[in-house]
Amino acid sequence: RKEVEQDPGPFNVPEGATVAFNCTYSNSASQSFFWYRQDCRKEPKLLMSVYSSGNEDGRFTAQLNRASQYISLLIRDSKLSDSATYLCVVTDTGNQFYFGTGTSLTVIP
Amino acid sequence: NAGVTQTPKFQVLKTGQSMTLQCAQDMNHEYMSWYRQDPGMGLRLIHYSVGAGITDQGEVPNGYNVSRSTTEDFPLRLLSAAPSQTSVYFCASSRTRDTQYFGPGTRLTVL
Repeated sequence: RKEVEQDPGPFNVPEGATVAFNCTYSNSASQSFFWYRQDCRKEPKLLMSVYSSGNEDGRFTAQLNRASQYISLLIRDSKLSDSATYLCVVTDTGNQFYFGTGTSLTVIP
Repeated sequence: NAGVTQTPKFQVLKTGQSMTLQCAQDMNHEYMSWYRQDPGMGLRLIHYSVGAGITDQGEVPNGYNVSRSTTEDFPLRLLSAAPSQTSVYFCASSRTRDTQYFGPGTRLTVL
C-alpha cells in the first residue's frame, strides 16, 4: 500500500470554477503535511503547509482530517495560471517525505 | 540567493558508465535528499541525509551511492548506469520535516 495516494485526474475546469483535490495517507503517526505545485518539466515548489486547524492563503484552502487520514486542497475562482500538477506530501516520525503521484489540473479559458 | 543548485541539467550516458550528479545548497539546511521522478510514479526517495557524515537509504537506493562530507553538498553517484535509471533527478534540502526546497533537476538518459 502506498504511503500517500491521490487521484491523478486530470481535472479540466473552466476559469472561475472551484475545484477540490483529496489525498489519503496510510501512516496514522504522520507528522507534517504539505501541498506542492509542479509545473511541466520544473521542480516542485511549496504551495502551502497544512495545519490541523485548516489554513487559507488567498484562493487556496487546505484541510487536514487526522481521524480519516486525508488532506484536501480547495482552489476557488480558478485562474489559467493554476494549471499544474498538485502534489500531496506527508512526513513520518523519522526524516522521510512521502509524495503522492500528483493530481493534474488544467484550467480552460 | 542561489538556494539549491544541481549540475548538470542534462546528461546522456551509455550503459555501464558512471557519473556523479552534483547538488549544493546555501541555506544551511541539515536535511538533504535525492529523488527520481518517472511518469506515473511520482517522486521516489533514493537517499537522504540528516547532516554531514550521516546518510540513509530511501525507497529506491539500488545502483546509487551518496556521501555528505559538508552541510552544503550532497552528490549522487551512479555506479554503473542502466537504462532503468533514465529519469529526472531532483535534489532537495530542508530543515528536518519542514518545507523542502528543490533544485531545478537533472534529466538523465541512459542508452
